[in-house]
Parts: sequence; C-alpha cells; structure tokens
Amino acid sequence: NAGVTQTPKFQVLKTGQSMTLQCAQDMNHEYMSWYRQDPGMGLRLIHYSVGAGITDQGEVPNGYNVSRSTTEDFPLRLLSAAPSQTSVYFCASSRLGEDEQYFGPGTRLTVT
Amino acid sequence: AQSVSQHNHHVILSEAASLELGCNYSYGGTVNLFWYVQYPGQHLQLLLKYFSGDPLVKGIKGFEAEFIKSKFSFNLRKPSVQWSDTAEYFCAVNAEGGSYIPTFGRGTSLIVHP
Repeated sequence: NAGVTQTPKFQVLKTGQSMTLQCAQDMNHEYMSWYRQDPGMGLRLIHYSVGAGITDQGEVPNGYNVSRSTTEDFPLRLLSAAPSQTSVYFCASSRLGEDEQYFGPGTRLTVT
Repeated sequence: AQSVSQHNHHVILSEAASLELGCNYSYGGTVNLFWYVQYPGQHLQLLLKYFSGDPLVKGIKGFEAEFIKSKFSFNLRKPSVQWSDTAEYFCAVNAEGGSYIPTFGRGTSLIVHP
C-alpha cells in the first residue's frame, strides 16, 4: 500500500492564481481531511469528508473548496490564492469508527 | 466543541534527560486521546493512543502517556531522550461519538542535544 499520497510536494503561486492540491489514499478509508500547518498554530482543519459525495467545513475553510467523487481521492482547491494561504498542507485519512489518522507527506505552498 | 492545550511550545534537552510534555483538553464527555510525532521534514505519525482501559499507555520508541481524567490531562513522558527524538509533538483529542476528526494542540518542538 502507498498509504496517503499528495502532489505536488512544493508549489509557488502568485496572488490570485488558482490550483488544486491532490490527495489520494489506497486504504479504502471513509474519512479524509485537509489540514494546514503554520508555525505556532499547530494543525488546523480546513475541510473533511466522511465518504464519497459528503464534505463539511472545518475550522478554517475560507478560500478553499473540496469535493469527494470517489473514496480514494480528496482534492483541495484554492480558488484565488492569497499570501495568507502560504502554509504546509497535510491530507489525512482514517477508517470509519477508528480515530487514528494516517497523514500524507505534505505540500509546501508559497503564495507571493 | 473540544479544545487541546499544549503548554510547552519549545523544549530543549540534553541526551539522557527525562521528558514530560503537557497536554490538557477541555471536554466533559468521553474522549479518545492521541500523541503524534513529526520528525523534521516528515509527515505526522501516531506515537500512541488511549481509548479506554489502563490509563498508562505505552507507545513506540519508549514513549508513554498517562491519562488523568480528573485533571483532563494526557501528558507524554520518556525516561531518557535521544538525539533522534528531536521532533514536533502534537496532542490530539476526539470526543467519543463525534465526527472522528480529532482536534490538535499547537504542538511542542523538542530539540535534543547530543
């Protein structure tokens, strides 16, 4: 199993550009989520999904969209990038009824 | 909603020193508790977890944590740290019967000098 994979690993955007961060898992996990990690702020939940076709907002959803068309994939879209979105983004998945999160390797995003 | 506090933001130790990282949560019901570790340049991975039973939980690499319900605490301990323990440590809590998406603390950066 590859576990949770994320692409790209690094990305630089200009303010106003849009892009999609990819996340995929091959463990047939129902739950998937996106976090951003900023110095001194820990991990903050952006959006999460409890299954295909079902998504919900987390703590910091503004400026981000998600969709879950399949169990495996959970892309995160930045609609119009802003410098405040400079961060490291982690995707995670877990099995229904279990709480252990499996994290991807992260995407380091810089918005100039 | 639950919240998690990690009181130590930065800890610097010498090898062989003992470690205790504090974690407190606020939630009145039953919780599941976790410690995750993030080594430099890597993703988070589970260190240990507590769901029920013995409140003293042992994890990987000699770490343990004790759940004290009366103090709403889940402190992480290791009797003798190594240089390779240099990492960021995150406490997380999930309310039982909730969304299964945990709330994370802000993290503690641990630097161990050889």
